[in-house]
Amino acid sequence: DQQVKQNSPSLSVQEGRISILNCDYTNSMFDYFLWYKKYPAEGPTFLISISSIKDKNEDGRFTVFLNKSAKHLSLHIVPSQPGDSAVYFCAASAESVAYSGAGSYQLTFGKGTKLSVIP
Amino acid sequence: KAGVTQTPRYLIKTRGQQVTLSCSPISGHRSVSWYQQTPGQGLQFLFEYFSETQRNKGNFPGRFSGRQFSNSRSEMNVSTLELGDSALYLCASSLWTSGPRRQFFGPGTRLTVL
Repeated sequence: DQQVKQNSPSLSVQEGRISILNCDYTNSMFDYFLWYKKYPAEGPTFLISISSIKDKNEDGRFTVFLNKSAKHLSLHIVPSQPGDSAVYFCAASAESVAYSGAGSYQLTFGKGTKLSVIP
Repeated sequence: KAGVTQTPRYLIKTRGQQVTLSCSPISGHRSVSWYQQTPGQGLQFLFEYFSETQRNKGNFPGRFSGRQFSNSRSEMNVSTLELGDSALYLCASSLWTSGPRRQFFGPGTRLTVL
């Protein structure tokens, strides 16, 4: 059962245009969402996050939108640059109460969308 | 600050062998999580350690185990390797016991099982 889905395996965008990457989730316990970017032979690097109490968060060229009723989030990159070409992972977290004591927050990832920005 | 380091970066083993991977978190980070990345399944959570205790575990067989040392460094072990264990194993560290939940990833160890 895939709780976080990125339905587009790949996306191609012209340089300077907007890139929109989408992510859907099914677990209503998720209350924090993150986007990571991954280049080949490197680990994922954090890009931007959003708490479920917000519906938008901006950081420079990157904006994440959250629609809780639709269980959908999206990442907008404006303007897109060739250096943005990478695999983008959506991740979600909820507190795990499986163990006693302080909460543990595992990340549940989507399978990624490969973004290609064409010069 | 130095980032998360993982050793070795590449490893080739044969079926039935066991392997140990190592992870050094960012200085001051006490939570270490492990993930397996495969082309078909994406990144899947293995387990998380905090203060030498496993706090959370994903849906993997008992052949996958780990531990954390008092200096927060962590190791994961896979016994009786299978072909399907070929993957990129990622370690991530984070600062707090609970939120914010940003995790910082290492470059990964690429394990190939022949």
